[in-house]
Amino acid sequence: AQTVTQSQPEMSVQEAETVTLSCTYDTSESDYYLFWYKQPPSRQMILVIRQEAYKQQNATENRFSVNFQKAAKSFSLKISDSQLGDAAMYFCAYRSRVNTNAGKSTFGDGTTLTVKP
Amino acid sequence: NAGVTQTPKFQVLKTGQSMTLQCAQDMNHEYMSWYRQDPGMGLRLIHYSVGAGITDQGEVPNGYNVSRSTTEDFPLRLLSAAPSQTSVYFCASSYMGWGTEAFFGQGTRLTVV
Repeated sequence: AQTVTQSQPEMSVQEAETVTLSCTYDTSESDYYLFWYKQPPSRQMILVIRQEAYKQQNATENRFSVNFQKAAKSFSLKISDSQLGDAAMYFCAYRSRVNTNAGKSTFGDGTTLTVKP
Repeated sequence: NAGVTQTPKFQVLKTGQSMTLQCAQDMNHEYMSWYRQDPGMGLRLIHYSVGAGITDQGEVPNGYNVSRSTTEDFPLRLLSAAPSQTSVYFCASSYMGWGTEAFFGQGTRLTVV
Protein backbone atom coordinates (compact mmCIF):
# COMPACT_ATOMS: atom_id res chain seq x y z
CA ALA A 1 0.00 0.00 0.00
CA GLN A 2 1.12 3.51 -0.70
CA THR A 3 1.83 5.94 2.13
CA VAL A 4 2.20 9.71 2.12
CA THR A 5 4.07 11.50 4.89
CA GLN A 6 4.02 15.19 5.68
CA SER A 7 6.59 15.65 8.42
CA GLN A 8 5.73 19.27 9.24
CA PRO A 9 2.43 19.52 11.12
CA GLU A 10 2.74 23.31 11.23
CA MET A 11 4.68 25.94 9.31
CA SER A 12 4.67 29.71 9.36
CA VAL A 13 5.89 32.30 6.91
CA GLN A 14 6.08 36.06 6.78
CA GLU A 15 3.90 37.74 4.18
CA ALA A 16 5.79 38.14 0.85
CA GLU A 17 8.36 35.51 1.83
CA THR A 18 8.82 32.01 0.42
CA VAL A 19 7.97 28.79 2.21
CA THR A 20 8.48 25.14 1.30
CA LEU A 21 6.22 22.34 2.52
CA SER A 22 7.63 18.83 2.54
CA CYS A 23 6.07 15.58 1.39
CA THR A 24 7.50 12.12 0.98
CA TYR A 25 5.74 9.02 -0.26
CA ASP A 26 6.35 5.34 -0.47
CA THR A 27 5.34 3.25 -3.44
CA SER A 28 6.56 0.38 -5.55
CA GLU A 29 4.75 1.71 -8.60
CA SER A 30 6.39 3.70 -11.37
CA ASP A 31 3.33 5.38 -12.84
CA TYR A 32 1.31 7.71 -10.62
CA TYR A 33 0.16 11.25 -9.95
CA LEU A 34 1.04 13.54 -7.09
CA PHE A 35 -0.92 16.59 -5.96
CA TRP A 36 -1.12 19.35 -3.44
CA TYR A 37 -4.46 20.50 -2.10
CA LYS A 38 -5.30 23.54 -0.02
CA GLN A 39 -8.03 23.49 2.63
CA PRO A 40 -8.81 26.93 4.09
CA PRO A 41 -10.96 27.35 7.20
CA SER A 42 -14.02 27.22 4.96
CA ARG A 43 -13.27 23.48 4.66
CA GLN A 44 -13.39 23.59 0.86
CA MET A 45 -10.75 21.39 -0.78
CA ILE A 46 -8.93 23.20 -3.57
CA LEU A 47 -6.52 21.56 -6.00
CA VAL A 48 -3.32 23.62 -6.04
CA ILE A 49 -0.97 21.73 -8.31
CA ARG A 50 -0.61 18.38 -10.03
CA GLN A 51 2.43 16.37 -11.16
CA GLU A 52 2.57 13.30 -13.38
CA ALA A 53 5.36 10.94 -12.35
CA TYR A 54 6.57 10.31 -15.90
CA LYS A 55 7.20 14.02 -16.42
CA GLN A 56 10.60 15.16 -15.23
CA GLN A 57 9.73 18.83 -15.42
CA ASN A 58 8.45 20.27 -12.17
CA ALA A 59 4.90 21.61 -12.28
CA THR A 60 4.27 25.31 -11.72
CA GLU A 61 1.06 27.25 -11.13
CA ASN A 62 1.65 30.97 -10.67
CA ARG A 63 3.25 31.37 -7.20
CA PHE A 64 3.12 27.65 -6.50
CA SER A 65 5.77 25.23 -7.72
CA VAL A 66 6.93 21.75 -6.80
CA ASN A 67 10.26 20.04 -6.46
CA PHE A 68 9.62 16.50 -7.62
CA GLN A 69 12.43 14.04 -6.87
CA LYS A 70 11.20 10.67 -8.11
CA ALA A 71 14.17 8.62 -6.98
CA ALA A 72 13.99 10.12 -3.50
CA LYS A 73 10.17 9.88 -3.50
CA SER A 74 9.94 13.48 -2.48
CA PHE A 75 7.38 16.07 -3.60
CA SER A 76 7.73 19.46 -1.90
CA LEU A 77 5.57 22.53 -2.51
CA LYS A 78 7.10 25.99 -2.72
CA ILE A 79 4.92 29.03 -2.23
CA SER A 80 6.54 32.25 -3.36
CA ASP A 81 5.50 35.76 -2.34
CA SER A 82 3.22 34.36 0.37
CA GLN A 83 -0.10 36.09 0.85
CA LEU A 84 -2.49 36.16 3.78
CA GLY A 85 -4.94 34.14 1.69
CA ASP A 86 -2.44 31.29 1.50
CA ALA A 87 -3.07 30.47 5.15
CA ALA A 88 -4.65 27.02 5.16
CA MET A 89 -4.06 23.33 5.71
CA TYR A 90 -2.10 21.83 2.80
CA PHE A 91 -2.39 18.18 1.88
CA CYS A 92 -0.08 16.14 -0.28
CA ALA A 93 -1.73 13.25 -2.11
CA TYR A 94 -0.80 10.30 -4.31
CA ARG A 95 -2.88 8.48 -6.90
CA SER A 96 -1.90 5.30 -8.67
CA ARG A 97 -2.23 4.80 -12.40
CA VAL A 98 -1.72 1.07 -12.16
CA ASN A 99 -4.87 -0.73 -13.33
CA THR A 100 -5.76 -2.55 -10.16
CA ASN A 101 -5.24 0.56 -8.05
CA ALA A 102 -6.24 3.24 -10.53
CA GLY A 103 -8.50 5.76 -8.93
CA LYS A 104 -7.36 5.19 -5.37
CA SER A 105 -5.87 8.26 -3.74
CA THR A 106 -3.82 8.43 -0.54
CA PHE A 107 -3.53 11.66 1.42
CA GLY A 108 -0.97 12.86 3.95
CA ASP A 109 -2.08 14.21 7.31
CA GLY A 110 -1.58 17.81 6.29
CA THR A 111 0.55 20.84 7.14
CA THR A 112 -1.07 23.90 8.67
CA LEU A 113 0.43 27.04 7.15
CA THR A 114 0.20 30.34 9.00
CA VAL A 115 1.02 33.57 7.17
CA LYS A 116 2.14 36.45 9.37
CA PRO A 117 1.45 40.02 8.23
CA ASN B 1 -23.90 26.71 -11.09
CA ALA B 2 -21.52 23.96 -12.15
CA GLY B 3 -19.88 21.99 -9.40
CA VAL B 4 -20.38 19.27 -6.82
CA THR B 5 -23.46 19.59 -4.64
CA GLN B 6 -23.38 17.70 -1.39
CA THR B 7 -26.24 17.49 1.10
CA PRO B 8 -26.82 17.86 3.97
CA LYS B 9 -24.09 20.11 5.39
CA PHE B 10 -24.66 19.00 8.96
CA GLN B 11 -26.30 15.90 10.42
CA VAL B 12 -26.65 14.35 13.84
CA LEU B 13 -27.57 10.67 14.03
CA LYS B 14 -28.23 8.29 16.83
CA THR B 15 -26.25 5.07 16.98
CA GLY B 16 -27.89 2.46 14.79
CA GLN B 17 -29.73 4.88 12.53
CA SER B 18 -29.19 4.82 8.79
CA MET B 19 -28.99 7.71 6.39
CA THR B 20 -27.88 8.69 2.89
CA LEU B 21 -25.51 11.49 2.03
CA GLN B 22 -26.33 12.90 -1.36
CA CYS B 23 -23.80 13.96 -3.99
CA ALA B 24 -24.50 15.32 -7.44
CA GLN B 25 -22.36 16.88 -10.14
CA ASP B 26 -23.43 18.53 -13.36
CA MET B 27 -20.12 18.44 -15.22
CA ASN B 28 -20.51 14.97 -16.78
CA HIS B 29 -17.50 13.69 -14.83
CA GLU B 30 -16.87 9.95 -15.03
CA TYR B 31 -15.02 9.76 -11.74
CA MET B 32 -16.68 10.34 -8.36
CA SER B 33 -15.53 9.48 -4.88
CA TRP B 34 -16.32 9.75 -1.19
CA TYR B 35 -13.81 10.60 1.52
CA ARG B 36 -13.93 11.03 5.25
CA GLN B 37 -11.74 13.47 7.14
CA ASP B 38 -11.14 12.94 10.83
CA PRO B 39 -9.72 15.73 13.03
CA GLY B 40 -6.08 16.49 12.30
CA MET B 41 -5.92 13.99 9.48
CA GLY B 42 -6.03 13.88 5.74
CA LEU B 43 -8.78 12.43 3.63
CA ARG B 44 -9.33 8.71 3.50
CA LEU B 45 -11.06 7.14 0.53
CA ILE B 46 -14.29 5.29 1.33
CA HIS B 47 -15.65 4.31 -2.10
CA TYR B 48 -15.19 5.50 -5.63
CA SER B 49 -16.72 5.09 -9.07
CA VAL B 50 -15.24 5.37 -12.55
CA GLY B 51 -18.62 5.52 -14.27
CA ALA B 52 -22.29 4.69 -14.03
CA GLY B 53 -22.79 1.16 -12.77
CA ILE B 54 -19.18 0.80 -11.60
CA THR B 55 -18.08 1.20 -8.00
CA ASP B 56 -15.13 0.00 -5.95
CA GLN B 57 -13.91 0.11 -2.38
CA GLY B 58 -11.36 2.51 -1.05
CA GLU B 59 -9.31 2.42 2.12
CA VAL B 60 -12.15 2.50 4.68
CA PRO B 61 -15.31 1.01 3.10
CA ASN B 62 -16.78 -0.87 6.08
CA GLY B 63 -20.15 0.43 7.20
CA TYR B 64 -20.82 2.31 3.97
CA ASN B 65 -22.57 1.46 0.72
CA VAL B 66 -22.62 3.30 -2.59
CA SER B 67 -24.30 3.00 -5.95
CA ARG B 68 -23.90 4.85 -9.22
CA SER B 69 -27.06 4.53 -11.29
CA THR B 70 -26.42 7.75 -13.22
CA THR B 71 -23.33 9.75 -14.14
CA GLU B 72 -24.56 12.69 -12.06
CA ASP B 73 -25.35 11.08 -8.71
CA PHE B 74 -23.24 9.13 -6.23
CA PRO B 75 -25.02 8.70 -2.87
CA LEU B 76 -23.27 7.31 0.21
CA ARG B 77 -25.34 5.21 2.59
CA LEU B 78 -24.52 4.63 6.22
CA LEU B 79 -26.14 1.32 7.08
CA SER B 80 -26.11 1.46 10.89
CA ALA B 81 -24.39 4.56 12.23
CA ALA B 82 -21.67 4.17 14.85
CA PRO B 83 -19.82 6.85 16.87
CA SER B 84 -16.64 5.89 14.97
CA GLN B 85 -18.31 7.30 11.84
CA THR B 86 -18.38 10.79 13.31
CA SER B 87 -16.38 12.73 10.74
CA VAL B 88 -16.52 15.23 7.91
CA TYR B 89 -17.46 13.63 4.60
CA PHE B 90 -16.47 14.93 1.19
CA CYS B 91 -17.72 13.99 -2.24
CA ALA B 92 -15.49 14.73 -5.22
CA SER B 93 -15.48 14.35 -8.99
CA SER B 94 -13.31 14.74 -12.07
CA TYR B 95 -12.70 13.58 -15.59
CA MET B 96 -10.72 10.34 -15.58
CA GLY B 97 -7.91 11.88 -17.62
CA TRP B 98 -7.16 14.49 -14.95
CA GLY B 99 -5.89 11.83 -12.60
CA THR B 100 -7.33 13.50 -9.54
CA GLU B 101 -10.44 14.90 -7.99
CA ALA B 102 -10.52 18.48 -9.17
CA PHE B 103 -13.90 19.39 -7.68
CA PHE B 104 -15.00 18.80 -4.12
CA GLY B 105 -18.31 19.33 -2.40
CA GLN B 106 -18.54 21.56 0.68
CA GLY B 107 -18.48 18.61 3.04
CA THR B 108 -20.96 17.11 5.50
CA ARG B 109 -20.21 17.25 9.19
CA LEU B 110 -21.73 14.09 10.65
CA THR B 111 -22.00 13.43 14.36
CA VAL B 112 -23.16 10.06 15.68
CA VAL B 113 -24.25 10.06 19.29
